[in-house]
Amino acid sequence: DARVTQTPRDKVTEMGQEVTMRCQPILGHNTVFWYRQTMMQGLELLAYFRNRAPLDDSGMPKDRFSAEMPDATLATLKIQPSEPRDSAVYFCASGLVLGQGADYGYTFGSGTRLTVV
Amino acid sequence: GNSVTQMEGPVTLSEEAFLTINCTYTATGYPSLFWYVQYPGEGLQLLLKATKADDKGSNKGFEATYRKETTSFHLEKGSVQVSDSAVYFCALTNSGGYQKVTFGTGTKLQVIP
Repeated sequence: DARVTQTPRDKVTEMGQEVTMRCQPILGHNTVFWYRQTMMQGLELLAYFRNRAPLDDSGMPKDRFSAEMPDATLATLKIQPSEPRDSAVYFCASGLVLGQGADYGYTFGSGTRLTVV
Repeated sequence: GNSVTQMEGPVTLSEEAFLTINCTYTATGYPSLFWYVQYPGEGLQLLLKATKADDKGSNKGFEATYRKETTSFHLEKGSVQVSDSAVYFCALTNSGGYQKVTFGTGTKLQVIP
C-alpha cells in the first residue's frame, strides 16, 4: 500500500529552537494537508495545498509557522521559534481531488510527535 | 461554515455487541461524507465514505448511510471485536471550492472481552 511518510516520528526540542517537519505525499496525489492534534483542541487544520500551491493557511499562526511544498514529493512545516504550547502531534495527509464531488478521501501519515520543553 | 457533530465518548461495549456512533453535519451544497479510524499511536485511516445522498459506505463490517433529510451519517457495526477499539472520526468535504476536510471531535470506542 502507498504511504504518506513523515519525519521525524518524534521530536523533543527546547523552547525557542527551530523545528522542521517533513512529509512525503503519495506519488500522484495533488492535495496535501497539515493538521495538528491535541487532546484539548482535537484536529486543527493548519495548511492546505493543491498542486503545490497554498490554498488555505488561515489556521496557522503566521508569526511562527510556515508551510511550503518545494516540490511534489516534499511538504514541510516549520516552527520558529517553538513554544511549549506547540507540543502536539502533527499530521500530514495527501489525496487526489479531481473536481467537484470527486473526492476519494485522504491518506494520513503516522505523525510527528513534537514536545517543546 | 461546515461543521460535524459526533456523539460524546468514550463508548464502552462488550465484544459482539452492536455499535452505533452518531454523526450529524451542517454543510452547504452536497458534501462527501467519511469515517476515519485512528488506532493508538497512528495516523487516521479512511474507513468508509459516501459521496451522495442514500449512498451506503461499508468496510470491515462497518456501515454508514448518507441521509440528507436528517443530515446524518451514523456509523454501525453488528458485532464489534476487541481489535475495533480506536477513535472514530466523522468528516466531510464540501462539494465545491477547495474541498478541505472538516472533522468531528472523534469518539473513542473501547471493546472489552
